[in-house]
Amino acid sequence: DTGVSQDPRHKITKRGQNVTFRCDPISEHNRLYWYRQTLGQGPEFLTYFQNEAQLEKSRLLSDRFSAERPKGSFSTLEIQRTEQGDSAMYLCASSYGGRGVNGYTFGSGTRLTVV
Amino acid sequence: ILNVEQSPQSLHVQEGDSTNFTCSFPSSNFYALHWYRWETAKSPEALFVMTLNGDEKKKGRISATLNTKEGYSYLYIKGSQPEDSATYLCAFMMDGNKLVFGAGTILRVKS
Repeated sequence: DTGVSQDPRHKITKRGQNVTFRCDPISEHNRLYWYRQTLGQGPEFLTYFQNEAQLEKSRLLSDRFSAERPKGSFSTLEIQRTEQGDSAMYLCASSYGGRGVNGYTFGSGTRLTVV
Repeated sequence: ILNVEQSPQSLHVQEGDSTNFTCSFPSSNFYALHWYRWETAKSPEALFVMTLNGDEKKKGRISATLNTKEGYSYLYIKGSQPEDSATYLCAFMMDGNKLVFGAGTILRVKS
């Protein structure tokens, strides 16, 4: 297992377009998390899954954002009608169990730029 | 709103200096405290997961302490090296379900 993979690494899109990001977690990990990080801030929680169930979604996440984890494997995060304020680094992480006794394993992130 | 604060925001030290950072978090409903190192163009990497008041953890030249009653954790780096340059993030877990991160401390070590 090569860790958590995210695709693409970079995405530039025009305002109003839809974008989709993919995350492949460590296969034994049942928890998968999406975070967003903007300049000068720490990663901000967006949503998490246990297996295929989406158990929590941040109130900061508008209806333009949707995430899925079909069959409890990879996950996708879609942003519809992108806005300039969506420009950020989108990080995916996985863990076995909620506490993450060995910490979360993060991917390298997808940097989104909305122009 | 859960507040996790880290200080200082940034730190520039000379190679060989020892340094420490602070993470403050709510003292109630504590579940766990994580420390991560995030180097430029890489993934955040877990350093420590701390769960018990009084916990002290060590990995090479880096160590961390935890005080859950007063809501703070310290991260120490002994004899800083240029490869220690990174952003150090702490993250608080209240409910066993997700981490709430601080803004991080940026460390730059000059050789």
